[in-house]
Amino acid sequence: DGGITQSPKYLFRKEGQNVTLSCEQNLNHDAMYWYRQDPGQGLRLIYYSQIVNDFQKGDIAEGYSVSREKKESFPLTVTSAQKNPTAFYLCASSLQLNYGYTFGSGTRLTVV
Amino acid sequence: DQQVKQNSPSLSVQEGRISILNCDYTNSMFDYFLWYKKYPAEGPTFLISISSIKDKNEDGRFTVFLNKSAKHLSLHIVPSQPGDSAVYFCAAESQGAQKLVFGQGTRLTINP
Repeated sequence: DGGITQSPKYLFRKEGQNVTLSCEQNLNHDAMYWYRQDPGQGLRLIYYSQIVNDFQKGDIAEGYSVSREKKESFPLTVTSAQKNPTAFYLCASSLQLNYGYTFGSGTRLTVV
Repeated sequence: DQQVKQNSPSLSVQEGRISILNCDYTNSMFDYFLWYKKYPAEGPTFLISISSIKDKNEDGRFTVFLNKSAKHLSLHIVPSQPGDSAVYFCAAESQGAQKLVFGQGTRLTINP
């Protein structure tokens, strides 16, 4: 059964620590995306990748980093440079854009 | 610069009546539009889409209307059911942009 998996569902970290959010898909999709959801602001694009070993910054990339070493995986690292890291993070993938995205179930990150 | 706007943060509708969710966009290069539905602590799921060459697309209880001259689209749900209570996101993409732009979302509540 194909899908996109984000783990963990809930994550707590102390301020100043880097944290990596996992995103894995077995849909054979080329493109993968990371979005952040904050109340009243919708979904904002952090990073995206069209092919392996290539990725582009989205609208709010500062304080984040990604890698795309495998087609199936697109991990997101929230660094200590991110000013307001507490949010709900969504990973998505797509075969072609006119088919829309398939989203994971999200990771809620809380930094204390 | 919010290219896709959903100006109503929330909407409350009686069960069985019609729900109308609105979305405005500013980028005339957008040529494909999608609606996603999101429950709390879950990823958004694709609902319905429309290409800019059409002005209407229907799928069961869901109909999306596109008015290109007004740069406006709307999602009609009829009849509304309690399970429709969720946050609805409008999204748009332009050919070659390789990414979706989302609105802020509208929280729909269906009252029994």
